[in-house]
Amino acid sequence: EAGVTQSPTHLIKTRGQQATLRCSPISGHTSVYWYQQALGLGLQFLLWYDEGEERNRGNFPPRFSGRQFPNYSSELNVNALELEDSALYLCASRSDRVPGNTIYFGEGSWLTVV
Amino acid sequence: AQTVTQSQPEMSVQEAETVTLSCTYDTSENNYYLFWYKQPPSRQMILVIRQEAYKQQNATENRFSVNFQKAAKSFSLKISDSQLGDTAMYFCAFMKPASTNSGGGADGLTFGKGTHLIIQP
Repeated sequence: EAGVTQSPTHLIKTRGQQATLRCSPISGHTSVYWYQQALGLGLQFLLWYDEGEERNRGNFPPRFSGRQFPNYSSELNVNALELEDSALYLCASRSDRVPGNTIYFGEGSWLTVV
Repeated sequence: AQTVTQSQPEMSVQEAETVTLSCTYDTSENNYYLFWYKQPPSRQMILVIRQEAYKQQNATENRFSVNFQKAAKSFSLKISDSQLGDTAMYFCAFMKPASTNSGGGADGLTFGKGTHLIIQP
C-alpha cells in the first residue's frame, strides 16, 4: 500500500511569488493535514481538510491556503512568499477506520524562498 | 490549548544501552491520544508508538515502550538495546479525540520541540 506522497520534493521560489505543494493521502484516508517545519520553530499545524472541506487552520496568515479534491488529494498554496516561509512542509493523512486515529506523514516538500 | 514539553534537547548514549526520552503535556481533555514520532536525517516523520489515554496499559512496540502516567501528564519513551539506526529527532505529540463541532475527526497533532537522540557506536 502506497504511503502519503508529496510533490515536489524541492521547490525554489523568489520572494513575492506563489508556491503550490501537492499531497496524495494513503488510499482510503479522507483527512489531510499540512504542517510547517521551519528551522528553529519546530512543527506547526497549518491546515486540516476532511471530506473536501477545511476543518481547521493553525495560526498562519490567509496567504496560506489550500484545498482538498474529490479524490482526497490536497494542495497547499502560499501566496506572496516571504523569506521566512522557507521550511519543510509535511503532509499527513488519517482515517477514522484506523484505530487510534493515527496520522501518517509523507516525506515532505522543501520550499526555499530567495 | 494543549502544550507538549520535551525537556531534553539532545541525548547521547552508547549502542545497546537503554535510553528514556521525557515528555509532559498539559490538557483539560480526559480522552486523547499520545504519539512518539521519529524523524531521521531523511526528515520523514515515522510513527514509533501510540497510546490511547483511556487505556491504562502502557503501549509497547518491540524495543520501544512508553511509561504513561495520566495523572502526572507524563509520557516517556524507553528505547531498549539502542541501535545506530535509532539516531534521529524524536517528537512527542498530542491529539484530541473526535470533535463534535467539526462533525467527527481530530484536528491535528500538537508537537513538542523534539529531542535529538544520538546513538554512539
